[in-house]
Amino acid sequence: AQRVTQPEKLLSVFKGAPVELKCNHSYSGSPELFWYVQYSRQRLQLLLRHISRESIKGFTADLNKGETSFHLKKPFAQEEDSAMYYCALSVNAGNMLTFGGGTRLMVKP
Amino acid sequence: NAGVTQTPKFRILKIGQSMTLQCTQDMNHNYMYWYRQDPGMGLKLIYYSVGAGITDKGEVPNGYNVSRSTTEDFPLRLELAAPSQTSVYFCASSSAPSTQPQHFGDGTRLSIL
Repeated sequence: AQRVTQPEKLLSVFKGAPVELKCNHSYSGSPELFWYVQYSRQRLQLLLRHISRESIKGFTADLNKGETSFHLKKPFAQEEDSAMYYCALSVNAGNMLTFGGGTRLMVKP
Repeated sequence: NAGVTQTPKFRILKIGQSMTLQCTQDMNHNYMYWYRQDPGMGLKLIYYSVGAGITDKGEVPNGYNVSRSTTEDFPLRLELAAPSQTSVYFCASSSAPSTQPQHFGDGTRLSIL
C-alpha cells in the first residue's frame, strides 16, 4: 500500500519567515497529490492540488517525481497560516485518499 | 451551504453498545467516504461508496458497517463498540474520481468507555 509521510509533527516559525512543510510518498506511478488544511474550529478543507499548479493563499507545492515529494512552501508566513496541514494522495478511480500524519504549523508574531 | 453534515458531534458509548453515525450531503456527490482519525495520526479510510447501493472496504473496516440507500446519506454503524474505536470520525464526499477534492464534515468525536 502506498504511504504518505510528513516527517514533522510540529513546525514553528516567526511571521514573515519562509515555510516548507514536507511530504513524501512511496507510490512509484503518477498519483494525484493534495494538501488539505484544518484551521482552528473549521472543517478540513482542500488547500491546493498538484494538477492545478496554482498558488493558494501564497502557498505552492511542486511534485518532484524523482524524489516522490510534494512539499508545501510559502515565502513569507502569516499568523493566519497557523493550522494543521495534511498531505494526501489518490491513485485510483474511487478517489480514495491516503493521508499523511499531518504537520501543525505555528506562526509566531 | 450545508455541504456534508454529520451527527452527532459528540458521543460516549459503553463497551458493547451499538450506534450509527449519520452523514448526509446536499451536493449530489456520487462518492462518499468514512475516515477515522486517532490522536496524532492522519485520517484512515474505513469504508467508501461510489454511488447508491455500492460500498466497499477501506484500510480499517473491521468493526464497522455501512449502507448507501440514497445518494445523500451514508451512515456508519458500530455494532459492538470497543475501546479501540475511540476516535474522531469524518465523513466526506466528492463529485468525481481522482482530481476532485473531497468535502468534509465537522466530525464526530466518539469515546468508548
